[in-house]
Amino acid sequence: SQKIEQNSEALNIQEGKTATLTCNYTNYSPAYLQWYRQDPGRGPVFLLLIRENEKEKRKERLKVTFDTTLKQSLFHITASQPADSATYLCALDGGSQGNLIFGKGTKLSVKP
Amino acid sequence: NAGVTQTPKFQVLKTGQSMTLQCAQDMNHEYMSWYRQDPGMGLRLIHYSVGAGITDQGEVPNGYNVSRSTTEDFPLRLLSAAPSQTSVYFCASSYEYRSAGEQYFGPGTRLTVT
Repeated sequence: SQKIEQNSEALNIQEGKTATLTCNYTNYSPAYLQWYRQDPGRGPVFLLLIRENEKEKRKERLKVTFDTTLKQSLFHITASQPADSATYLCALDGGSQGNLIFGKGTKLSVKP
Repeated sequence: NAGVTQTPKFQVLKTGQSMTLQCAQDMNHEYMSWYRQDPGMGLRLIHYSVGAGITDQGEVPNGYNVSRSTTEDFPLRLLSAAPSQTSVYFCASSYEYRSAGEQYFGPGTRLTVT
């Protein structure tokens, strides 16, 4: 079965720097991959989707890449701000089941 | 639109009690699902529904029942609560099954079973 790993449980960076979060998967290449943001005590909120035939997707200060050879997606936040502090979840297409499989998340802390 | 709503926000149950977690969406979404989120485990799918009258099991269905009599509502029933069911429960919906569409999550229900 498909497995997802988000390599860091926690990432601490300085305001203004670029945060880079990693999501690796182990088996088949998913048709798409999604990234969500989750704040404490709240449900996840969708940020970006990238499909298997897309190398890169951007939305304002966010950028997602998808490398099917490395079986990896990178999620970048440029010019990070303390308000970007949250847990970021990677989710991918569950294949024949058609459901999303979620990673455990990376908790990002941006210090002023 | 209210989006996805869940009630209650918090609940404490004793072992063996039963209860229903409510979930409703007003976006006319076909696909609805229930997840549980535990520390260090991430979100795990309990049950899902691809439309009214159709439900199926996810990764961790044991101890839970669902039904989908309308497009809007997707309640989750705990039949006989156990301490292992202490968790935060999220309901989610999306426009279409297998469409890669974004999932909209509710605010969650924090359940403690003593």
